[in-house]
Amino acid sequence: GAVVSQHPSWVICKSGTSVKIECRSLDFQATTMFWYRQFPKQSLMLMATSNEGSKATYEQGVEKDKFLINHASLTLSTLTVTSAHPEDSSFYICSASTGTSGAYEQYFGPGTRLTVT
Amino acid sequence: EDKVVQSPLSLVVHEGDTVTLNCSYEVTNFRSLLWYKQEKKAPTFLFMLTSSGIEKKSGRLSSILDKKELFSILNITATQTGDSAVYLCAVHNQGGKLIFGQGTELSVKP
Repeated sequence: GAVVSQHPSWVICKSGTSVKIECRSLDFQATTMFWYRQFPKQSLMLMATSNEGSKATYEQGVEKDKFLINHASLTLSTLTVTSAHPEDSSFYICSASTGTSGAYEQYFGPGTRLTVT
Repeated sequence: EDKVVQSPLSLVVHEGDTVTLNCSYEVTNFRSLLWYKQEKKAPTFLFMLTSSGIEKKSGRLSSILDKKELFSILNITATQTGDSAVYLCAVHNQGGKLIFGQGTELSVKP
């Protein structure tokens, strides 16, 4: 149980284009979903927290107009990287939690590797 | 500012060795501490610790939390090459966020 999927697993896009990444909880309802970014040889950095039906809460330094998050249902959250640039190339990981405010264990998706050329 | 610090940052051992990975934290309103294993993909869950002094064990891995001294250790006995990975420690604060340490990169040589 507690499986989280991400799609796509990897994507290459041109600078200036937008990319959408989906995160789905397959066998449970995720009240809260989290989006992380991980650069090579670094740890996971939380970008934003989203609760179903409400606006995402972004961490300091994360541009909300650039990283659009939508949590439309209890099983789906999407992250759209708008007008992507090479510096946005990174490993994006989502996680899902069954508790409000992420009070319970987080289950991670397999990650999406984004390369912007 | 909430902070999680892991040590060592990297470690090379031989198969059969026992390793101890350290995680110290400074977090307001601590809720739980989690250990993850990451092998080129997203992290996989190992342990969640909420109470001091109670060891959690899974096969050759074990972990314990000291809430007074604000640290946790992850032990791996009889290491195997398949244990090679980055081990991440993360702490849940009251806001529900997971704050990750830098990770310890473990390399187990045959």
